[in-house]
Amino acid sequence: DTGVSQNPRHKITKRGQNVTFRCDPISEHNRLYWYRQTLGQGPEFLTYFQNEAQLEKSRLLSDRFSAERPKGSFSTLEIQRTEQGDSAMYLCASRAGVNVNTGELFFGEGSRLTVL
Amino acid sequence: GQQLNQSPQSMFIQEGEDVSMNCTSSSIFNTWLWYKQDPGEGPVLLIALYKAGELTSNGRLTAQFGITRKDSFLNISASIPSDVGIYFCAGPTTSGTYKYIFGTGTRLKVLA
Repeated sequence: DTGVSQNPRHKITKRGQNVTFRCDPISEHNRLYWYRQTLGQGPEFLTYFQNEAQLEKSRLLSDRFSAERPKGSFSTLEIQRTEQGDSAMYLCASRAGVNVNTGELFFGEGSRLTVL
Repeated sequence: GQQLNQSPQSMFIQEGEDVSMNCTSSSIFNTWLWYKQDPGEGPVLLIALYKAGELTSNGRLTAQFGITRKDSFLNISASIPSDVGIYFCAGPTTSGTYKYIFGTGTRLKVLA
């Protein structure tokens, strides 16, 4: 399978714990996105990487959230000191393309976080 | 900022019926993407549109890029039970950012 891969698929944690999600994009894609989706809503943008550079972060992204993409391949999204409001589906997407804002975005299956 | 509004929010249809839904914005988009999402899964890309007026098909699905570049339409012909899900439109913003924004979704339920 050469699609976008995310793990873990499900994570249940207690409030205050740290969690980390991993995303492996489609191998030839240099652009990677993280989104968050809550029930009944469309995906909400969190952050964007072009190769290893994090070029954009949502203003809504708390300081407790950090993302990395070392070497421009896989990416991790870490949430520190989780809160119940962090419960959501975290989606990773990747795309190829030379142009800045064109191209098809391909999503992984998502990582569902439940904070108790 | 740019927003995408989808209608209808939800619809119940009989198997075999055709379905139409749309996505509108107050600002221009250069690309329209249509996705389907099943419960607990990530969105799956159905159709991509890149040119105003473009009409593109993928099996029973047909999507159009509106002439004004502020809207797009998705039609599903002869619906089947597996068409159930939430359909999202999306597009890259043209306001100097890198992000793609998503519509509010149309929830489709097919009655056998």
